[in-house]
Amino acid sequence: TQLLEQSPQFLSIQEGENLTVYCNSSSVFSSLQWYRQEPGEGPVLLVTVVTGGEVKKLKRLTFQFGDARKDSSLHITAAQPGDTGLYLCAGPPEYGNKLVFGAGTILRVKS
Amino acid sequence: GAGVSQSPSNKVTEKGKDVELRCDPISGHTALYWYRQSLGQGLEFLIYFQGNSAPDKSGLPSDRFSAERTGGSVSTLTIQRTQQEDSAVYLCASSFTGFRYEQYFGPGTRLTVT
Repeated sequence: TQLLEQSPQFLSIQEGENLTVYCNSSSVFSSLQWYRQEPGEGPVLLVTVVTGGEVKKLKRLTFQFGDARKDSSLHITAAQPGDTGLYLCAGPPEYGNKLVFGAGTILRVKS
Repeated sequence: GAGVSQSPSNKVTEKGKDVELRCDPISGHTALYWYRQSLGQGLEFLIYFQGNSAPDKSGLPSDRFSAERTGGSVSTLTIQRTQQEDSAVYLCASSFTGFRYEQYFGPGTRLTVT
């Protein structure tokens, strides 16, 4: 079974704090995608990382793909209440036939 | 429209009734997916359509669930003889082509079985 394990499951922090969300697997993935989902809406793609070791920045969000393409992280600097939501990682396994989703990390940023 | 649309947005039904959920994918997207999501949880894969290929139905939880995609565009997910455990948000997504590509999600249909 090709699983993506996300940690932590839930994170509640104060505005201005930094945080990191992890997405790990024992399998190699061709790429990894990060989505954010707000209540009552579908997930929205934030970024795709493709190359092992790749780092992408989206304003205060930094995404990294592990060298071995088995893990990824999302780091948020100076979190804001607007960052609140469910963060999902997903990826196509190198040897697989469907997109695999992690269970998600619920982030709550308090003002 | 520019995005994936789903209807209805909310559906309340009595246990034992059949329901149909509709998805209109982004024009030109050949791949279409259905997922189920329980409150605050991750996504449970249900079914995947890719072009004219036979759909991947490996995620359907029981034979009460079925889906079709007509004309390579609109898709309908049907749940027969609904049970309370079917209550969830049903999400549809489409992508330009196969599963390796980014998916664009609709807002979902919230199904409540009473």
